[in-house]
Amino acid sequence: TQLLEQSPQFLSIQEGENLTVYCNSSSVFSSLQWYRQEPGEGPVLLVTVVTGGEVKKLKRLTFQFGDARKDSSLHITAAQPGDTGLYLCAGEGNAGNMLTFGGGTRLMVKP
Amino acid sequence: SQTIHQWPATLVQPVGSPLSLECTVEGTSNPNLYWYRQAAGRGLQLLFYSVGIGQISSEVPQNLSASRPQDRQFILSSKKLLLSDSGFYLCAWSVRGTGRSPLHFGNGTRLTVT
Repeated sequence: TQLLEQSPQFLSIQEGENLTVYCNSSSVFSSLQWYRQEPGEGPVLLVTVVTGGEVKKLKRLTFQFGDARKDSSLHITAAQPGDTGLYLCAGEGNAGNMLTFGGGTRLMVKP
Repeated sequence: SQTIHQWPATLVQPVGSPLSLECTVEGTSNPNLYWYRQAAGRGLQLLFYSVGIGQISSEVPQNLSASRPQDRQFILSSKKLLLSDSGFYLCAWSVRGTGRSPLHFGNGTRLTVT
C-alpha cells in the first residue's frame, strides 16, 4: 500500500506570509496531483507534476516534484485570505491509475 | 463542457434506514467513476470505482454498495445505515484509460446518521 504523508496538518498564518506544504512517501509515484478544497465543495485540481525535479508555477503557487518522485512540495508566496482551504496531494502509482491521497493540509490565511 | 451532479447535498438519516446517493456526469462518455468518503477536513478514502456499466470494484469492506446502471450514472447505496457511515461522500469522474487524468469531483453529500 502506498502512503502519502502531508505536513503540516494545520497552518494558520497572516496575510502576506509565505508557507510551504509537504507531501512525502517512501514509494515512487509516476505522477502527483495537488488539489484545493473549499468547505462544502469537492476538491479542484491545481496542478499535475510528472517528471522528477519538475517545478510548476501557478501565479503565487510553486509546485515541485522530488527528484526521486517520492515527495512533493507546494510553496505559496504572499498568502492571501483567498488561499484558505484544504490542500490535498494525490499520487498515481506505477501499477495503474488509482490515486492515493494524502491526509491534507488545512490552511487558514487571516487578513 | 463536462459537469458532474451529485445529490442530495445534505442528508440526515436514522440508524438502520436505507441510503441512496446518486451521481451523474454530463458531457463525456465512458468515464471512470469513483465514490470517495472524507473524514472531517481530512484526506479521501476510495470506496468504489467503476470502469464501465455494471463493473464495480470495492476498495474497502463496508456496509455500502455501489452500482452503475448507465454509463454516466453512479449510485451509492446501503440497506441499513450505521452511525459510522456518517461523513462527506464525494463522487468523481476521470477520463478512462489515462492514468494522469485528473479527478473531477462533485460537490459532495454530507451524510449524518443519527
